[in-house]
Amino acid sequence: EAGVAQSPRYKIIEKRQSVAFWCNPISGHATLYWYQQILGQGPKLLIQFQNNGVVDDSQLPKDRFSAERLKGVDSTLKIQPAKLEDSAVYLCASSLAWGRTSYNEQFFGPGTRLTVL
Amino acid sequence: SQQGEEDPQALSIQEGENATMNCSYKTSINNLQWYRQNSGRGLVHLILIRSNEREKHSGRLRVTLDTSKKSSSLLITASRAADTASYFCATVQSGYALNFGKGTSLLVTP
Repeated sequence: EAGVAQSPRYKIIEKRQSVAFWCNPISGHATLYWYQQILGQGPKLLIQFQNNGVVDDSQLPKDRFSAERLKGVDSTLKIQPAKLEDSAVYLCASSLAWGRTSYNEQFFGPGTRLTVL
Repeated sequence: SQQGEEDPQALSIQEGENATMNCSYKTSINNLQWYRQNSGRGLVHLILIRSNEREKHSGRLRVTLDTSKKSSSLLITASRAADTASYFCATVQSGYALNFGKGTSLLVTP
């Protein structure tokens, strides 16, 4: 079974530039997550989708970050404009479904390492 | 905000020894999970323990949960060089968003 795919794997940009990351979840997984992992810290949730709807975006800096999941499959995360503090690894994860009474394991992609100069 | 705090931040042991890392969290949880992250395989789920469970085993892994103390521990027995990685605890309150700690960096030397 193919895992979660992300691209690009690495990206270097200058501050104030724009950047976009792409994620293709595991086939059939309804829930998709974007996490930001700053060096030396654990991942932090940015946004959670259920199919093409947003479940939680409370920690997404909406003045510069945006994400979409058109058609409920692939997703893109965009930063515009980028700041130095956005340097991090951006992880995409997917799981079968979202609900309060059962657990569905999250599977993580390899991440995109962003460096903002 | 990050929910879990792992202790120690770094741990160095020799192959064959046991490794124990701890996690403390702040609010009530639905379940607690442990993940491993290394450069080769990325972030991988290891084990989940629900709030009504006290201990769980999976191969060489043993996890305990004490909800009264809001703490959990991960024991890796008979460590191998391949266990070298960062280990994170992650809690789930509602929904499925994971709240990760800062992690414990484990180095296992031959």
